[in-house]
Amino acid sequence: EVQLVESGGGLVKPGGSLRLSCAASGFTFSSYTMNWVRQAPGKGLEWVSSISTTSTYIYYADSVKGRFTISRDNAKDSLYLQMNSLRAEDTAVYYCARGLAVSGTAGDYWGQGTLVTVSS
Amino acid sequence: IQLTQSPSSLSASVGDRVTITCRASQGISSHLAWYQQKPGKAPKLLIYVASTLQSGVPSRFSGRGSGTDFTLTISSLQPEDFATYYCQQLNSYPSFGGGTKVEIK
Repeated sequence: EVQLVESGGGLVKPGGSLRLSCAASGFTFSSYTMNWVRQAPGKGLEWVSSISTTSTYIYYADSVKGRFTISRDNAKDSLYLQMNSLRAEDTAVYYCARGLAVSGTAGDYWGQGTLVTVSS
Repeated sequence: IQLTQSPSSLSASVGDRVTITCRASQGISSHLAWYQQKPGKAPKLLIYVASTLQSGVPSRFSGRGSGTDFTLTISSLQPEDFATYYCQQLNSYPSFGGGTKVEIK
């Protein structure tokens, strides 16, 4: 069974940092593009970042470019999102999503999400 | 690329045929997916590359379109279909539509 479990969310002050993790199981992690998608409270979905299987291709939304860093460890079946210089508008539930084999940015499996709250 | 969904919300009854539209600000070929999201839950993939039904998704869901205009149709609305639906364009910098909330009439 495919499982994605996010962790690392919490309350952080503006300007602070946080590192999210996503532990994958039930599939060959190294064969799939992975994505982070977030959802602010009561709002719609926003794509954050994608990383290809060998980390060759990495993309970021303009809203997080230069502040967030996506990475993966295929040996540990894990995806990460390092978030620096956090702002109030980064407050959201952050989901990791496995990319479809035919289209890496479409998420066929999603984690349950981890809440990041940026507030003083 | 901007995606505009319409309507932003609708009220419908069980058994109704429901159609949601997603318009892209520029052509995206068939690089579009549709998701269903229920409150407090992660999104669920319904359709990808505009018209391919994801495994396990009921056949009452269908998708059409290419270029800039796309539709998601639920042929006969069921109680479990009341949710919010999002389209997503699937290029290297993907984006989502604003969502359509389907409510019970």
